[in-house]
Amino acid sequence: AQSVAQPEDQVNVAEGNPLTVKCTYSVSGNPYLFWYVQYPNRGLQFLLKYITGDNLVKGSYGFEAEFNKSQTSFHLKKPSALVSDSALYFCAVRDSASGGSYIPTFGRGTSLIVHP
Amino acid sequence: NAGVTQTPKFQVLKTGQSMTLQCAQDMNHNSMYWYRQDPGMGLRLIYYSASEGTTDKGEVPNGYNVSRLNKREFSLRLESAAPSQTSVYFCASSHSGGREETQYFGPGTRLLVL
Repeated sequence: AQSVAQPEDQVNVAEGNPLTVKCTYSVSGNPYLFWYVQYPNRGLQFLLKYITGDNLVKGSYGFEAEFNKSQTSFHLKKPSALVSDSALYFCAVRDSASGGSYIPTFGRGTSLIVHP
Repeated sequence: NAGVTQTPKFQVLKTGQSMTLQCAQDMNHNSMYWYRQDPGMGLRLIYYSASEGTTDKGEVPNGYNVSRLNKREFSLRLESAAPSQTSVYFCASSHSGGREETQYFGPGTRLLVL
């Protein structure tokens, strides 16, 4: 079975400071990992994904995420936060193992608030 | 290229009323999904359609039915709405359902059941 956890309901950061939004996962095989962002009253938008290769994945809007297999984590990061980054962030996972569902499992979401 | 579109954007129903939420995508995707989003619960899958002509239950299918009308359209029907179905509903699509694929989401339908 596949699962994903976002341990923080809310993350607060000052504008200009680095930000991290945490995600941990559990799968039987290898993980396919995704980050999506949801701005108020909008649908989810794709930010980045890890399939294989480099552990540091770069995505849209200056975001990046680091895959750590030993810690089963895929934390979202940005070196310098903007007020406009304030949104709800979702981590999602799919299991590459045969018999694993191709339907992704989403975390509960983390609300990022960037203060001016 | 509109991506994934949903209608209506907002709806108020009385308990027991029925309605159909419409979803269409213009990206020639094979797979389509219906999710509901509730505070603190994240996204929960209601139904999905791996390809035209097939539909399968997700995590929370009770009280809902779906129709994959053609490759573009995937509708969600509430036959007898209940207050517990108050939620935001998102439709999504992906190319062929492969595990490495990105999903594309519509803007959502906000449903209030009184």
